[in-house]
Amino acid sequence: DAGVIQSPRHEVTEMGQEVTLRCKPISGHNSLFWYRQTMMRGLELLIYFNNNVPIDDSGMPEDRFSAKMPNASFSTLKIQPSEPRDSAVYFCASSLYMGNSPLHFGNGTRLTVT
Amino acid sequence: SQQGEEDPQALSIQEGENATMNCSYKTSINNLQWYRQNSGRGLVHLILIRSNEREKHSGRLRVTLDTSKKSSSLLITASRAADTASYFCATDEFQGAQKLVFGQGTRLTINP
Repeated sequence: DAGVIQSPRHEVTEMGQEVTLRCKPISGHNSLFWYRQTMMRGLELLIYFNNNVPIDDSGMPEDRFSAKMPNASFSTLKIQPSEPRDSAVYFCASSLYMGNSPLHFGNGTRLTVT
Repeated sequence: SQQGEEDPQALSIQEGENATMNCSYKTSINNLQWYRQNSGRGLVHLILIRSNEREKHSGRLRVTLDTSKKSSSLLITASRAADTASYFCATDEFQGAQKLVFGQGTRLTINP
């Protein structure tokens, strides 16, 4: 079991550029979550999917953020255009099912927007 | 939205001592979970306690849940240097889609 795989581990980009973060959940897991972590705001839930369908995107901060899950083994979080305040660590997590099931986190993508 | 809030924000103890961290939450829950995060890594699930349970053990970890007070505690006994990490509680919002919401965490430092 390789765990949740996120790429890239680090991303440095200039303001205005498009950023795409990638996630491969654990095989067989039905739910996928995108979180953002900053010192100021802690761990924020951005969006989550169940069976590849977005369930709640109320945490997505602005229209500049979008997420997709085209199949059970892949998800992307895109920021276009990026801004310095988007700098954070972005985590993807998956779970066997929603509700009473532990989350398995990837090691995150550290995004720096200059 | 912040559901769980941990207390204290930071805790520093000597190796071998016990560490207790608390979590308070606001709404009804189905379950409460505790996670650990080492620096530069993702969160790791430690233990899940359901709303109808009052206490649960896993190795050196003991978790209690008091739904009347909307609070939980995590006790780590006989602490080790390797326990140095941040600890988070997470709760599922009872109504609606049951998304998991994390608190701000407790930063635990174990001094050798």
